[in-house]
Amino acid sequence: GAGVSQSPSNKVTEKGKDVELRCDPISGHTALYWYRQSLGQGLEFLIYFQGNSAPDKSGLPSDRFSAERTGGSVSTLTIQRTQQEDSAVYLCASSPTGTGSYNEQFFGPGTRLTVL
Amino acid sequence: DQQVKQNSPSLSVQEGRISILNCDYTNSMFDYFLWYKKYPAEGPTFLISISSIKDKNEDGRFTVFLNKSAKHLSLHIVPSQPGDSAVYFCAASEWGSYIPTFGRGTSLIVHP
Repeated sequence: GAGVSQSPSNKVTEKGKDVELRCDPISGHTALYWYRQSLGQGLEFLIYFQGNSAPDKSGLPSDRFSAERTGGSVSTLTIQRTQQEDSAVYLCASSPTGTGSYNEQFFGPGTRLTVL
Repeated sequence: DQQVKQNSPSLSVQEGRISILNCDYTNSMFDYFLWYKKYPAEGPTFLISISSIKDKNEDGRFTVFLNKSAKHLSLHIVPSQPGDSAVYFCAASEWGSYIPTFGRGTSLIVHP
């Protein structure tokens, strides 16, 4: 079956511009995560969606970052007024359930964002 | 402060030999641990996990060992194959948490 897909695979933008990154999770997965990986760093948690519950936004680094998940499926991560330090690979992951259980996460290939 | 540490950024091993990747953690509330493997330009893929009620879990060539008193876990790959060359991430979760904490990864290179 289809895995997690992300688009675009690469995005180059100028400082100050807004960008939108898209994630299509595995069908039926209720939990969706966004992470970013900067050069030489681990996976930094950004935001978590579980079903119709309010998202956990505790990892968002600033108010320039926001995300939504429409219809419990597709998610969009938006970065406003991009800065050079936003350059990273943004990874999306989904899992069958999230809360209170241990489930492996299925990751997409990521979007490499470069802010010039 | 990093709660999950992978202190070796890279490891080089000869094909057929054992690869040992290490991971240390500081949060005593962690009770579930996972290893992910990541190839370039791909997302991480789940490899193996272990619960804190166990000290060993084995899956084919991959074995994870957990030493709770030392807050240390390790991933053993025997025998190592060139296709195992990838970045390996250690991750840990607390009971009831849905957000694992990841280490920075160790790049494994297996030479033919």
